[in-house]
Amino acid sequence: RKEVEQDPGPFNVPEGATVAFNCTYSNSASQSFFWYRQDCRKEPKLLMSVYSSGNEDGRFTAQLNRASQYISLLIRDSKLSDSATYLCVVLSGGSYIPTFGRGTSLIVHP
Amino acid sequence: GAVVSQHPSWVICKSGTSVKIECRSLDFQATTMFWYRQFPKQSLMLMATSNEGSKATYEQGVEKDKFLINHASLTLSTLTVTSAHPEDSSFYICSAQNQGANSPLHFGNGTRLTVT
Repeated sequence: RKEVEQDPGPFNVPEGATVAFNCTYSNSASQSFFWYRQDCRKEPKLLMSVYSSGNEDGRFTAQLNRASQYISLLIRDSKLSDSATYLCVVLSGGSYIPTFGRGTSLIVHP
Repeated sequence: GAVVSQHPSWVICKSGTSVKIECRSLDFQATTMFWYRQFPKQSLMLMATSNEGSKATYEQGVEKDKFLINHASLTLSTLTVTSAHPEDSSFYICSAQNQGANSPLHFGNGTRLTVT
């Protein structure tokens, strides 16, 4: 089983839709979690950290479920510009080498 | 926010030549930097972990003699692709963490290498 798993998608949604992605992780000692956004042929950019109590930034909401070992990203009122690949990143204790999911592709259409 | 600068953004070279890519943390000190490679429509693959003042730690399957990493200061790590071949053509990205090990990664803008 891969350490960090994401559904590659693509998720194809109309503008204005609400869409959610999950990311599961296998290491129960994982300590820090992040969502990144990567546009085609560009480097990943930090979208938001994921806090234990859940956190929101505008249209984006991130949540952590330690019991089930997954994090989620909810995007409300999708915009065309939200089209990208969303990567989850997990940092685990010990080596602190970040582990990436393979990314979930989102396509928002008019 | 933290900025990581990577140079060059793109490079085209001939087979057999070497290419050096620089990764700089502009406003913070990074004891650890990471080098990734990404082929089209594939996920980021960690190549190596670069540690300031010590040897890099390479992932399985990555040739350390081919991909030379130097992390001589807290703000600069370099990756040299030696004797490049067309199959080395890829998108190379570095990243660095600011201070605490639980801090998010900040990525350089990437280097698109094409070997002809």
